[in-house]
Order: sequence, then structure tokens, then C-alpha cells
Amino acid sequence: QKEVEQNSGPLSVPEGAIASLNCTYSDRGSQSFFWYRQYSGKSPELIMFIYSNGDKEDGRFTAQLNKASQYVSLLIRDSQPSDSATYLCAVNRDDYKLSFGAGTTVTVRA
Amino acid sequence: KAGVTQTPRYLIKTRGQQVTLSCSPISGHRSVSWYQQTPGQGLQFLFEYFSETQRNKGNFPGRFSGRQFSNSRSEMNVSTLELGDSALYLCASSLGDRREEQYFGPGTRLTVT
Repeated sequence: QKEVEQNSGPLSVPEGAIASLNCTYSDRGSQSFFWYRQYSGKSPELIMFIYSNGDKEDGRFTAQLNKASQYVSLLIRDSQPSDSATYLCAVNRDDYKLSFGAGTTVTVRA
Repeated sequence: KAGVTQTPRYLIKTRGQQVTLSCSPISGHRSVSWYQQTPGQGLQFLFEYFSETQRNKGNFPGRFSGRQFSNSRSEMNVSTLELGDSALYLCASSLGDRREEQYFGPGTRLTVT
């Protein structure tokens, strides 16, 4: 079983719609959870982090964490063409190391 | 505040050679982590340094090594390069707490021929 799994994608959404990205993790001891955005040919850019169960909103992005279900998600509201990228879920097991999912590629259709 | 910087940005080496990559963290950040990104394996953790000490290491062969200097700058070295070492090598910095967010540099694209 992989440490971090993401919905495989690619995910195509029309401009203005909500993009929903899912991530599950295997280690119940995981403490902190991150979403990174990576444009083709660029390095990952941190867009959201969440430590506690529940929702965390930042602009058009909402991260949701459910530790009991070992599940973390990212919602992108009012999707824009500039949101087209690969989104990486990362989990920290409290050991200075990030474990990454394979990523979900999102395409926003104008 | 300036971001994480990595040098060089691109590198072409021959099998059997060795290479040294450099990373300067965000000012005030004392932790530096290194990751390898390939299309097949995704992003994989190499090692993490804080105050010149390695605190965690990933599952990579001993050919991969690193160090950190007193000014928090870090280097990683790969000896006896193999074709499979071709990858994007990413450095990330953070303040140093075990749970907090990490910020990535632009990466060094290494091609081994």
C-alpha cells in the first residue's frame, strides 16, 4: 500500500466550476498535510496546509481533513485556466519528511 | 524575502562522474530537505538537515550524500552517477519544526548520459 494516494486524474473542469481533489494516507500517525501546485517544468509551490480536522479556507481554495478516515481533500472554487497544473498531496509523519502522492493533473477548460 | 535558491539550474554529466548541487534556504530557515523527482517515481525524500545534522534519511544508496553548513546552506553530492540518477533535484527549506510546511526551490535538472 502506498503511503499517500491521490485520485488518478486527469481531471478536466470547465472554467468557473469546482475542482475536487482527493488524497488518502496510510499512516495514522501523520500529523500535518499539505497541498502543492506544480506547473509543468516548475517546482512545487505550497498552496495550502492543514493540521486539524475540519475545513480550512484560503481564497478560492479549501482544504478538508478527516483523520479518522485518513482523508484529505482540496476544493478549488471558481476554477480558472491558471489553475491548470498538477496538484500534489503531501503528508508529514512528524519526522521531518514529506511523503508525496503521485499527483493529480487538473485542466480547466475555458 | 528571497526564496530558496539552487545552483546550478541545469547540469549534464556522464555516467561514473560525480556531481555536487547547492541549496540556499530562505533567510531564517534552518532546515533543508532534498527530494528527487522523476516521472516514474514521483517526488521522493532524500535527506533532511538541521543545524548541520542529518535528522532523517530516505531509501537511497550511499552514493547520495549531503551536508549542511553553519549558515544553513546545504549541498548534496551524488558519486558514480548512473543513468537512473537523471532527475529534477529539489531542495526545500523550513524553520525546523518537524511538522511545518516546506518551501521548494526551483530545482536542479540533472541529466546523466
